[in-house]
Amino acid sequence: GAGVSQSPSNKVTEKGKDVELRCDPISGHTALYWYRQSLGQGLEFLIYFQGNSAPDKSGLPSDRFSAERTGGSVSTLTIQRTQQEDSAVYLCASSLVRRTGELFFGEGSRLTVL
Amino acid sequence: TQLLEQSPQFLSIQEGENLTVYCNSSSVFSSLQWYRQEPGEGPVLLVTVVTGGEVKKLKRLTFQFGDARKDSSLHITAAQPGDTGLYLCAGARNAGNMLTFGGGTRLMVKP
Repeated sequence: GAGVSQSPSNKVTEKGKDVELRCDPISGHTALYWYRQSLGQGLEFLIYFQGNSAPDKSGLPSDRFSAERTGGSVSTLTIQRTQQEDSAVYLCASSLVRRTGELFFGEGSRLTVL
Repeated sequence: TQLLEQSPQFLSIQEGENLTVYCNSSSVFSSLQWYRQEPGEGPVLLVTVVTGGEVKKLKRLTFQFGDARKDSSLHITAAQPGDTGLYLCAGARNAGNMLTFGGGTRLMVKP
């Protein structure tokens, strides 16, 4: 499809395990965002990639969280030594960078840490 | 403290009622967007406003950007059950800058 694709859609893991979440943005979109959303709440900004610029990592909650974007396209969010409070929906969005750039979101990856 | 404060956080109304959701900040934004999110899906853009004082209408939804470009409102006339969802405002401080989201307003419209 032509939309933002995220995988896995659901992930259940045990406390202490590492997880990787993947995002395939819309082709040609130079900006990519990761957000975290707890049950029914707003979006918590995690990290922002824009072209070849250094990513804005100011939203990452701890050093257990990291993300990379290879070749300006696919992005992977890695959470090491998961904790129960990491349980949430992780949303990826991409956009064209312009004054009124619309964000196109994936359906999210629901992470449950037991 | 969030850069964008939305109110109310929760709203439960009967079908046919009117409502207004607010998005406020002490910062100036070059543009502001409203999104709606339904369960199990990502947010979807409803509208973008860029000019202070701008009013945009989308069927029964009316969006307004404050004159000083620090706040916005969303007014829904004659709400329908299909309007149920999480409404999110998002602002960009500068052109091409990343978007910051408010905490959201969860709306439930009962038939």
